[in-house]
Amino acid sequence: GQQLNQSPQSMFIQEGEDVSMNCTSSSIFNTWLWYKQDPGEGPVLLIALYKAGELTSNGRLTAQFGITRKDSFLNISASIPSDVGIYFCAGRNIQGAQKLVFGQGTRLTINP
Amino acid sequence: KAGVTQTPRYLIKTRGQQVTLSCSPISGHRSVSWYQQTPGQGLQFLFEYFSETQRNKGNFPGRFSGRQFSNSRSEMNVSTLELGDSALYLCASVGVPGNTEAFFGQGTRLTVV
Repeated sequence: GQQLNQSPQSMFIQEGEDVSMNCTSSSIFNTWLWYKQDPGEGPVLLIALYKAGELTSNGRLTAQFGITRKDSFLNISASIPSDVGIYFCAGRNIQGAQKLVFGQGTRLTINP
Repeated sequence: KAGVTQTPRYLIKTRGQQVTLSCSPISGHRSVSWYQQTPGQGLQFLFEYFSETQRNKGNFPGRFSGRQFSNSRSEMNVSTLELGDSALYLCASVGVPGNTEAFFGQGTRLTVV
């Protein structure tokens, strides 16, 4: 099925470093969501974006809705060990109903 | 407010059997979507229900079906199980269609042997 292009697929960083990941789509989206998934658990919603250009923060996390409506990025500042997990972007197409389209995920590994 | 509840958490079935998974959405939420998650394919949309009606369906064979009850609880069924059906099945709860903040349950890990 349709998926977003999320990159990078994996990241290996040192504790304290900043992290940046992004998602792009060939379609316009009117909503972008960012989730984090721990092993064996369901994804947990981190940030929701609803307007082009919107920049939203949640603690050390910051996400932006691209002005073209075809991309979004997530930054994590000063990473800590509990940031380890898989991060997913999800978008809702303006012509879609409730169906969310997901990126393939970014696996974040942190070396203490 | 209780979150999304999926049961069972883990399930082991043999090929050819059928399985039923259950999802209770957040209280007051009326829309439920189901996703299949595998390491190779990521999160794949199965179907979405609102007010006991299927609104959207993904590209899965007819062996995958679902339904929603009047209390918004949903079930999905997979018949004639195949090894490739082994996956984490996730249910997402949304207030009403158009409200796009989807909240996920912990999932049901299905293993087909």
